[in-house]
Amino acid sequence: AQKITQTQPGMFVQEKEAVTLDCTYDTSDPSYGLFWYKQPSSGEMIFLIYQGSYDQQNATEGRYSLNFQKARKSANLVISASQLGDSAMYFCATGVDGGTSYGKLTFGQGTILTVHP
Amino acid sequence: DSGVTQTPKHLITATGQRVTLRCSPRSGDLSVYWYQQSLDQGLQFLIQYYNGEERAKGNILERFSAQQFPDLHSELNLSSLELGDSALYFCASSVTPGGGPSGNTIYFGEGSWLTVV
Repeated sequence: AQKITQTQPGMFVQEKEAVTLDCTYDTSDPSYGLFWYKQPSSGEMIFLIYQGSYDQQNATEGRYSLNFQKARKSANLVISASQLGDSAMYFCATGVDGGTSYGKLTFGQGTILTVHP
Repeated sequence: DSGVTQTPKHLITATGQRVTLRCSPRSGDLSVYWYQQSLDQGLQFLIQYYNGEERAKGNILERFSAQQFPDLHSELNLSSLELGDSALYFCASSVTPGGGPSGNTIYFGEGSWLTVV
């Protein structure tokens, strides 16, 4: 069984500053992946970043980085230099990394990020 | 643009009716996943198909069914609709069902908003 916990229902950040969105996970799978998605008010789910459990280095994608601490079972998303367009709901998700159940993701409840000018 | 196409974007229908949601995966992606997002349940995995075959099932109701066609597009059929079926339905796709240690990104479509009245 898998579980994702996002403890911050809402976060506020000033434009151009960095923000960290928390995510802790629990899984019984020996090999798993961690995903972050952004959902703006229009509803679409936008893939941001992926981290495999065996990846030695933290994943980065432009202004997004994933602070992966395996022993603590945390996979926090760091957004650097926040922009007004970053205001959205952010979801952390996990799934088996490989095999027939790949893509069967378990999502957290999400964090609403608001970027102030 | 994720490359995953879903139609229709919005749908309003009455209780007891049947609707079909359509999904075209990204070019080259063989795996298709369906998710439901509702206010009370959050994001839930429904079902996965890989190259025409069902691979994994989640919390999908018996009134719901899906299939993936030879051209890899997929349809989600929702029948005997109830008010509680009102939700945003997502289709997602990936290259393979198993990404291995480095993983494969799972891209979501823009979703189909279903309102049952």
